[in-house]
Amino acid sequence: AQSVTQLGSHVSVSEGALVLLRCNYSSSVPPYLFWYVQYPNQGLQLLLKYTTGATLVKGINGFEAEFKKSETSFHLTKPSAHMSDAAEYFCAVSDPGANNLFFGTGTRLTVIP
Amino acid sequence: DAGVTQSPTHLIKTRGQHVTLRCSPISGHKSVSWYQQVLGQGPQFIFQYYEKEERGRGNFPDRFSARQFPNYSSELNVNALLLGDSALYLCASSLGGTGGKETQYFGPGTRLLVL
Repeated sequence: AQSVTQLGSHVSVSEGALVLLRCNYSSSVPPYLFWYVQYPNQGLQLLLKYTTGATLVKGINGFEAEFKKSETSFHLTKPSAHMSDAAEYFCAVSDPGANNLFFGTGTRLTVIP
Repeated sequence: DAGVTQSPTHLIKTRGQHVTLRCSPISGHKSVSWYQQVLGQGPQFIFQYYEKEERGRGNFPDRFSARQFPNYSSELNVNALLLGDSALYLCASSLGGTGGKETQYFGPGTRLLVL
């Protein structure tokens, strides 16, 4: 069975500081991994995804994530936080052959000026 | 190009009533998925449709049903509404390939409040 754990329901960083949002998954097979962002009163927007190949994935808005199979992790990072990064971030997985996403509970990022 | 659109944006219903939510996918996308997002939680998968056929179903009661039309738009129906059905209902569209690696593009959602 799949599960996604996002450590820290709330994360606060200062503007210009490193952003690190944690995601660990449990899956019976190597999954496909996604990070989505949700701004207030909006739907979800894809930041990046890992399917196969290079384990360091670069996404939009300066975000990147690294798939570490040995640690079953897919943490999201950004070197320097901007005020516009304040939002809810969701990690999601899908199994090869599945057709749906399984989401974590989300991490709310606050950026302090 | 227009993204995924959903209607209505907000809805208030009372317990026991029925509700229909609508979704239009991105042009060229043949698959539509529905998710329920309860406040403070991540989205939960309800249904996926492809070419008018149900391709997947999440762990939701039979009060929830959906269908997809020849133009690939979709409806989600919920009967006998309960207070716990209050949530943001998200529709996502994708090209329709299998295997789980496709990007799903989400609409803005319909916020349902059941009183």
